Amino acid sequence: NAGVTQTPKFQVLKTGQSMTLQCAQDMNHNSMYWYRQDPGMGLRLIYYSASEGTTDKGEVPNGYNVSRLNKREFSLRLESAAPSQTSVYFCASSPRDEQYFGPGTRLTVT
Amino acid sequence: AQKITQTQPGMFVQEKEAVTLDCTYDTSDPSYGLFWYKQPSSGEMIFLIYQGSYDQQNATEGRYSLNFQKARKSANLVISASQLGDSAMYFCAMREAATGGYNKLIFGAGTRLAVHP
Repeated sequence: NAGVTQTPKFQVLKTGQSMTLQCAQDMNHNSMYWYRQDPGMGLRLIYYSASEGTTDKGEVPNGYNVSRLNKREFSLRLESAAPSQTSVYFCASSPRDEQYFGPGTRLTVT
Repeated sequence: AQKITQTQPGMFVQEKEAVTLDCTYDTSDPSYGLFWYKQPSSGEMIFLIYQGSYDQQNATEGRYSLNFQKARKSANLVISASQLGDSAMYFCAMREAATGGYNKLIFGAGTRLAVHP
């Protein structure tokens, strides 16, 4: 039982490049989330998915797209990376109340 | 608008003593939940404790307890018998009223706790 897994752990992109962050959970949770954490701040919600086939915007969705591929997987895509997207990205899943987080992806955009 | 406030950017405590980390919140929803997460230097987010707005008793989980004062809109985390491994960032978070079978968390800015031997 791996919980929530994220790939990659680290990534460096040049401005304008695209990439997809992968997230998978094996806890059979319906809800999944993507957050970003910037230095000195708490996590901010980018997108969430209540169930397979549904997604909705969070607090800071601009510059991102998501796909809920199936119940297990929820990916985050940066179509044209910008330096302002340098951050640590966390994926989470939830059965109802508490959310369980993956280990995070540290992304640097130069 | 909902908001979480953690007024202590940093705290320190002697090993084996108790420490309280402050959290206040603001919401107009009657149904909400409050959480505390720990983030050690390795970076992962670890769920510690949860308190529902309708729960009559304060939540406890081992050495962690949540001092829930609804009228004051505060949800302070109390760590008893601090250990060196408790040194980490601690985040308070609030869940919006659950609709559609999911919930969204809003996080505070965090408090960095240092436990001294």
